[in-house]
Amino acid sequence: DVKVTQSSRYLVKRTGEKVFLECVQDMDHENMFWYRQDPGLGLRLIYFSYDVKMKEKGDIPEGYSVSREKKERFSLILESASTNQTSMYLCASSWAGQNYEQYFGPGTRLTVT
Amino acid sequence: AQKITQTQPGMFVQEKEAVTLDCTYDTSDQSYGLFWYKQPSSGEMIFLIYQGSYDEQNATEGRYSLNFQKARKSANLVISASQLGDSAMYFCALTGYMNTGFQKLVFGTGTRLLVSP
Repeated sequence: DVKVTQSSRYLVKRTGEKVFLECVQDMDHENMFWYRQDPGLGLRLIYFSYDVKMKEKGDIPEGYSVSREKKERFSLILESASTNQTSMYLCASSWAGQNYEQYFGPGTRLTVT
Repeated sequence: AQKITQTQPGMFVQEKEAVTLDCTYDTSDQSYGLFWYKQPSSGEMIFLIYQGSYDEQNATEGRYSLNFQKARKSANLVISASQLGDSAMYFCALTGYMNTGFQKLVFGTGTRLLVSP
């Protein structure tokens, strides 16, 4: 069974803080993704990584950065958290290539006050 | 650009009945894939079913089937014999491509299904 884990289920941070969200997968997948989910907007891709140290911007990368130093681990960084980054963050992983399903972690609900 | 539309924000169904969740899409790609995911209240997205644009048969996985009508650009999910555990958000997703050529998924806004006893 594919397992994608995220470091926290719930997180509360203050405006201006640096926030790290960690994601680990155990299936040796090449691809890893970070999404944010907001009511009425579905899931939107923040960043994508296809290999160690390789990353691509998704549809809404502003205010975020990522790090992938090891194949199994993909971190999302909020350099200076703002209230409009309050959201559910979902990590996913998949095999490289076309049309493979993505496997998701349980999500981190981040509140920025 | 790719687009997915789920027009039903919420659906109700009684246990043991069948339900259809609507999904229409728009893409200029000749080859593409369509996915359905289920998101229970726990938050984790669970892959349900996949349909490739060149697949001639509609995909089926247990109680889930995908009613794929390519000319109408629709990919509706049919759940037969609904169970209480089917109560969840359901997302339709379409393959798209980033500027660099890597594939991504474009998600709809979801449909919340409530199954009543």
